[in-house]
Amino acid sequence: KQEVTQIPAALSVPEGENLVLNCSFTDSAIYNLQWFRQDPGKGLTSLLLIQSSQREQTSGRLNASLDKSSGRSTLYIAASQPGDSATYLCAVAAGTYKYIFGTGTRLKVLA
Amino acid sequence: ETGVTQTPRHLVMGMTNKKSLKCEQHLGHNAMYWYKQSAKKPLELMFVYNFKEQTENNSVPSRFSPECPNSSHLFLHLHTLQPEDSALYLCASSQGGGGPNTEAFFGQGTRLTVV
Repeated sequence: KQEVTQIPAALSVPEGENLVLNCSFTDSAIYNLQWFRQDPGKGLTSLLLIQSSQREQTSGRLNASLDKSSGRSTLYIAASQPGDSATYLCAVAAGTYKYIFGTGTRLKVLA
Repeated sequence: ETGVTQTPRHLVMGMTNKKSLKCEQHLGHNAMYWYKQSAKKPLELMFVYNFKEQTENNSVPSRFSPECPNSSHLFLHLHTLQPEDSALYLCASSQGGGGPNTEAFFGQGTRLTVV
């Protein structure tokens, strides 16, 4: 059974820091991995999708890597800003129509 | 704006009420999903529809009844709910459901409170 874990559960950093969020999964048989952002009480916004054959994807200040063999992905946020404060979720596409989510990392960037 | 619209955004209902949640996607996708998000828990998949056909029912109680009249619309009919059903209900869509390029898009959710 696929399980997704995100560490840390919460993170508070001063503005300008570079930071890394971690996501691990137990079964390497995945189609892809997505990183999402969720603001309080809101829906999920897709940030990056990494296909199973890819190693990383970049969008602006965000860089996501995938090491399928070890069951790990990281989301790197460069030069963090207060507007980056949100909960970040990773999800693996573990089968047809099956997205398995982690519990998220709640990020707070202090001005 | 993700292309997936949910209404209402907030809903308060009594345990004897009947209400419905609505989801509409403007992305031309063929698959639509209902997820439940409770505090401190991962998103839980409830139902999946592909081309209007239900492909997944994740052991959801019968007080939740989904309906998918076409590939663009998805409903979740609610009746005789319990207070523990209070949560954020999220709708999602995707084009296909299993390829490496399959990307899920989510709506803003409906915050449901059962009193």
